[in-house]
Amino acid sequence: ELKVEQNPLFLSMQEGKNYTIYCNYSTTSDRLYWYRQDPGKSLESLFVLLSNGAVKQEGRLMASLDTKARLSTLHITAAVHDLSATYFCAVPHRGSGYALNFGKGTSLLVTP
Amino acid sequence: SAVISQKPSRDICQRGTSLTIQCQVDSQVTMMFWYRQQPGQSLTLIATANQGSEATYESGFVIDKFPISRPNLTFSTLTVSNMSPEDSSIYLCSVEENRSYEQYFGPGTRLTVT
Repeated sequence: ELKVEQNPLFLSMQEGKNYTIYCNYSTTSDRLYWYRQDPGKSLESLFVLLSNGAVKQEGRLMASLDTKARLSTLHITAAVHDLSATYFCAVPHRGSGYALNFGKGTSLLVTP
Repeated sequence: SAVISQKPSRDICQRGTSLTIQCQVDSQVTMMFWYRQQPGQSLTLIATANQGSEATYESGFVIDKFPISRPNLTFSTLTVSNMSPEDSSIYLCSVEENRSYEQYFGPGTRLTVT
């Protein structure tokens, strides 16, 4: 059974600080997805990482994938309040036609 | 990127009734997925819907409770049957874009069962 674990589950950080969210998964996968969800909204695609060593950046967010360690990171640089949201990582499961298994999500609050 | 719409966006239903949720995509896609997100929780896969074949259900979800149709490459429906308050959730459809491997989500249907 594919398990996806995120940590931390809750994160309160000050504006201007840096932090990293970690996503571990239990079986081999060459893809990993990151999503953002605002309260009452659907999921917004942030990154899809398609190979070992993949790194993608958008604004203050940077995601990386190490398939050998079965680990992805989402790094936040100089956080701003607008980044407050819940962030999910997800790994596709071949047995389900590449449907996604989600982590529990990291609820991020950026405070002044 | 694929644009997905869902109907209805929300509904309040009585126990024992059924609701059909529609998912429409603006491009042809092979795989469509249905997820449930219970309040304050992560997403759980209900089933995978491939055009022209029966949907494949995950453990804990059965066709009698959640029948799915996939009549063509741009449309799918999920029915929540004989509803109980435990079915109160957000139901989301998702598609995988064939070339980019991106997976996009619809806006969701917020269901409350009283």
